[in-house]
Amino acid sequence: RKEVEQDPGPFNVPEGATVAFNCTYSNSASQSFFWYRQDCRKEPKLLMSVYSSGNEDGRFTAQLNRASQYISLLIRDSKLSDSATYLCVVSGGTSYGKLTFGQGTILTVHP
Amino acid sequence: GAVVSQHPSWVICKSGTSVKIECRSLDFQATTMFWYRQFPKQSLMLMATSNEGSKATYEQGVEKDKFLINHASLTLSTLTVTSAHPEDSSFYICSVSRRSQETQYFGPGTRLLVL
Repeated sequence: RKEVEQDPGPFNVPEGATVAFNCTYSNSASQSFFWYRQDCRKEPKLLMSVYSSGNEDGRFTAQLNRASQYISLLIRDSKLSDSATYLCVVSGGTSYGKLTFGQGTILTVHP
Repeated sequence: GAVVSQHPSWVICKSGTSVKIECRSLDFQATTMFWYRQFPKQSLMLMATSNEGSKATYEQGVEKDKFLINHASLTLSTLTVTSAHPEDSSFYICSVSRRSQETQYFGPGTRLLVL
């Protein structure tokens, strides 16, 4: 079983749509959780951290359920510029902050 | 955020040659640097973690004699792919952090194609 699992998609949605991505992780000792965005042939960029209380940044809302070891990302009012691969990333209780990346979910927003 | 550079951004080489990739932290001193590899349509995989002044810690399955890492200063780490082969063709990305548990900032990556 992969340490971090995501539905690879692709998700094809029209502009303005709401789309949700899910992610599960296997290491219950994981301590930090993130969503990264990766554009084609580019490096990943931090989108937002994820907390148990849930957090929102503009059109993006992230949720963490530690009991179910489940992370979600909701994007409202999708824009063309949201088209990218969204990476679920988990950091465990290691001594050097190792990040474990999911395979990524491909999102394409079309006009 | 942080500014991280990698050089070269892409490289094409013949099988059997060695390739050195540089990762620089331009605006803060990075105690810890990480090297990742990403094959097409796959996730980033951590190859090794390097702390300034000490030997790198390699992930399981990554050959330390093939992927030489040097972290000689707080702003520079190098990854040398020795005797590169076509299966080493990949996207190599470094990241830096002030301390091992803090936020990582990624470099723009280096695309390696071994013919």
